[in-house]
Amino acid sequence: EPEVTQTPSHQVTQMGQEVILRCVPISNHLYFYWYRQILGQKVEFLVSFYNNEISEKSEIFDDQFSVERPDGSNFTLKIRSTKLEDSAMYFCASSSTGEQFFGPGTRLTVL
Amino acid sequence: AQSVTQPDIHITVSEGASLELRCNYSYGATPYLFWYVQSPGQGLQLLLKYFSGDTLVQGIKGFEAEFKRSQSSFNLRKPSVHWSDAAEYFCALSGGYNKLIFGAGTRLAVHP
Repeated sequence: EPEVTQTPSHQVTQMGQEVILRCVPISNHLYFYWYRQILGQKVEFLVSFYNNEISEKSEIFDDQFSVERPDGSNFTLKIRSTKLEDSAMYFCASSSTGEQFFGPGTRLTVL
Repeated sequence: AQSVTQPDIHITVSEGASLELRCNYSYGATPYLFWYVQSPGQGLQLLLKYFSGDTLVQGIKGFEAEFKRSQSSFNLRKPSVHWSDAAEYFCALSGGYNKLIFGAGTRLAVHP
């Protein structure tokens, strides 16, 4: 069964460093999403992406964040200058028919 | 405002007992509704979805949910819970291909 994959599973970084989280969506899906979940809190939407552009973004998704689909299979989330409060689980999701399928997540720890 | 409310933060049931997890939503039209399950340290697995049509939907692992428009609810049920069902359950809605809006989750514990 096709699935969404994410790498790395865990990323530790120093405050102020740039990180790139990578996702490979399900191959025939056209809609892509990033969410995050701070420990013990609800899952929050960050950004959606369709037809090579951002279709919607949340207030969390400020200028420090960017997304890219560099090669037709990967979908990346970049955080330019990480803050302590960016520590969270980041989930990628993809969709073709309205139901979103999630990857296993990347746990980002900012020290 | 669009929102999802899961009134129960934590529920404990005995193995073999029935289960109902509550979900209420606020949305301007009829949303797409979903239940996801998250085991500790894992991603979100889709249990079931409601888009339209039959208001009782069946999902994986023996779960079902009923959409009640008049009550703005989409409660998740299972007739007999197994120890492996212990996890966190999230109700979510969307307007189609839009973002998912999640509830705060209900943590289910299962006693042997």
